[in-house]
This record gives sequence, C-alpha cells and structure tokens, in this order.
Amino acid sequence: GQNIDQPTEMTATEGAIVQINCTYQTSGFNGLFWYQQHAGEAPTFLSYNVLDGLEEKGRFSSFLSRSKGYSYLLLKELQMKDSASYLCAVRRDMFSGGYNKLIFGAGTRLAVHP
Amino acid sequence: DSGVTQTPKHLITATGQRVTLRCSPRSGDLSVYWYQQSLDQGLQFLIHYYNGEERAKGNILERFSAQQFPDLHSELNLSSLELGDSALYFCASSARAEVSYEQYFGPGTRLTVT
Repeated sequence: GQNIDQPTEMTATEGAIVQINCTYQTSGFNGLFWYQQHAGEAPTFLSYNVLDGLEEKGRFSSFLSRSKGYSYLLLKELQMKDSASYLCAVRRDMFSGGYNKLIFGAGTRLAVHP
Repeated sequence: DSGVTQTPKHLITATGQRVTLRCSPRSGDLSVYWYQQSLDQGLQFLIHYYNGEERAKGNILERFSAQQFPDLHSELNLSSLELGDSALYFCASSARAEVSYEQYFGPGTRLTVT
C-alpha cells in the first residue's frame, strides 16, 4: 500500500519562513504534488517534483528526495493569506496501476499570525 | 476560476436517499476525476474517466457510481446515503489521460446527509 505523512498543524509569523514536510512510502513512485486549499474551497496546484532537488516558484519552493521518500514545501515571506491547508499527494507509475490517480496526505493546516 | 463547474453547490438530503452530482470539465479537457473530502479522511480519490471511459478507480463504494457522457460532462451518483457520506465532493479536469499537475479542481458540492 501507500502511506503519506504530514504534520497536522503548524503556526508561523507573518514575514517568516516555514517548511512543511511530507514523507511517503509507496512502490512505483512517479511524482509528488503540493496543493494549497483554503477552508471550504477547491485545492489549487502549487508545485510538482518528479526528480530529486529543489523547484522554486516565487515565494514557494518544493524539494524532493526519492531515496528518502521525503519532500518539503518551503514558504517564504509569509503573508496572512497563506493561512490554508497544504496537501501533499503522490502519483504512482503505470506498472503500479496508479498512473491515473493521486493519493493525498491528510494535509497540514498552516496558521499565519501577525 | 478554474473553468470547472459543479452543481449543485450544496445538497441536503436524508439517509437512504439517492443524489446526483454534476461536473462540467474545462473546455477541451477529456479527463474528469472525482474526489471525496470528509473531515476525518482528507481528500480521497474516487474515480477517473477519460473521454467517456473509466480509467482508474480508487476507494469508491459500491453504492456510488459515475459516468462521463459524450459531451464530456460527468455525473457521480450516490445511493442509499448514510450519515458518513456527508462530505465535500470535488471533480477535477485535465486535458491528459494520465494525472498531472495540469489538473484543475471545481468548487465542489457540499453534501449533508441528515
């Protein structure tokens, strides 16, 4: 099977940096996605990693280590509007029967305080 | 606005009833994914259709069924409803057959079973 773990909740201060970790155990790994979801709204895509390393996109960066089954999402210069849930999701390859679906972690609720 | 529409936005019904949720993908997208998000279970993949054909199934109950029509809109039918079926139901669309970062979520249908 597969297992995806993220911290349940985190708090941070406006203007600071926060790192949200995600660990996964799955066979046939074929990519990791990060989504942002404000309460009661649809998830929106943030980043995608399939190779090891860091992907940077403005204030958000995402890192992947396939050998460690580990990813993190780094949010810089935090703003109040960044208060949301952050969902980590894994895609498996076609040989694992998972090429057409994402398996989501439970999400990390981030609260940004002034 | 992702371009994906879902109706209705809210639905309140009683246990034992049957409901139909509707999703219209973005113009040109051939893939439709259905997800269920409840408070205690996070975002769970239910089923994926591509150009009218079922491509992948997740933890979808036998009481639930879906289809994608020739005009590419999709419907998710939930029958013999139970209290535990209360959740947000999202659909997402994509131009591709395989899941990718180019997956856009609709605003969701909030189902409350009383």
